[in-house]
Amino acid sequence: SQQGEEDPQALSIQEGENATMNCSYKTSINNLQWYRQNSGRGLVHLILIRSNEREKHSGRLRVTLDTSKKSSSLLITASRAADTASYFCAPTTSGTYKYIFGTGTRLKVLA
Amino acid sequence: NAGVTQTPKFQVLKTGQSMTLQCAQDMNHEYMSWYRQDPGMGLRLIHYSVGAGITDQGEVPNGYNVSRSTTEDFPLRLLSAAPSQTSVYFCAASARIGSYNEQFFGPGTRLTVL
Repeated sequence: SQQGEEDPQALSIQEGENATMNCSYKTSINNLQWYRQNSGRGLVHLILIRSNEREKHSGRLRVTLDTSKKSSSLLITASRAADTASYFCAPTTSGTYKYIFGTGTRLKVLA
Repeated sequence: NAGVTQTPKFQVLKTGQSMTLQCAQDMNHEYMSWYRQDPGMGLRLIHYSVGAGITDQGEVPNGYNVSRSTTEDFPLRLLSAAPSQTSVYFCAASARIGSYNEQFFGPGTRLTVL
C-alpha cells in the first residue's frame, strides 16, 4: 500500500479561475484515483487514470499522470463555488488491498 | 440501490462504553473498509475486508474490532470507548480488488466520546 501526498494543502481562488492540485507517490502504480469530499460528507470518486494513460478528461476536470516523476495533477477549469471541497488522490497498486489517503488539498472557491 | 449506508448518523458515548457502528452495502462489492477522519485531517484506515470471512488491520486498528459474516455488512465495534476515538467514521466499498477499484463511501457516523 502507499499514500499519495497532495499539494498544496490549501488553495483559495476566485470563481471562474482554474485550480490545480498535485499528488506525488513513491512506488509504481496501476492506477491513480482522485476523490472529492464536501464538508462533513463521504468521499466521492471523481476520476481514475491508468498507469498507461498520460491525460484524461471528465467535464471540467483534467487529470495528468507522469509515471517517471511519480506525480499526478488535477485541474479544475472555470471553477465554481460548488467546487469548494477537499480533494484527495489515491495511488493504487495491483494486489494491494489497503487504500491510504493523504491529508488532501482544501480548495476554496470565492464567489 | 442505496449504495453504502451507515447507522447511526450521530452518537455520543461515555468513556468505557461499547457500541457497534453499522455499515451495509447493496452493490455486492467484495472489498469494504472503515476509516476515521479527525478534524482537518485525511482519512486513516482502521480495518478492511476483502470478502466475507476475511478481515485485516489498517493503520489504526487498536480499540476496534470488525467482522464480515456476509458480503453486505461490515460492522465496526468499539470495545471500550475513549475520548481519542472522537471522530467521524466512514465506511467504503469497492467492486474489485486490483487494478480497477473505485471506492464508494457512506455518509459517515459522527462519534463523540465524553
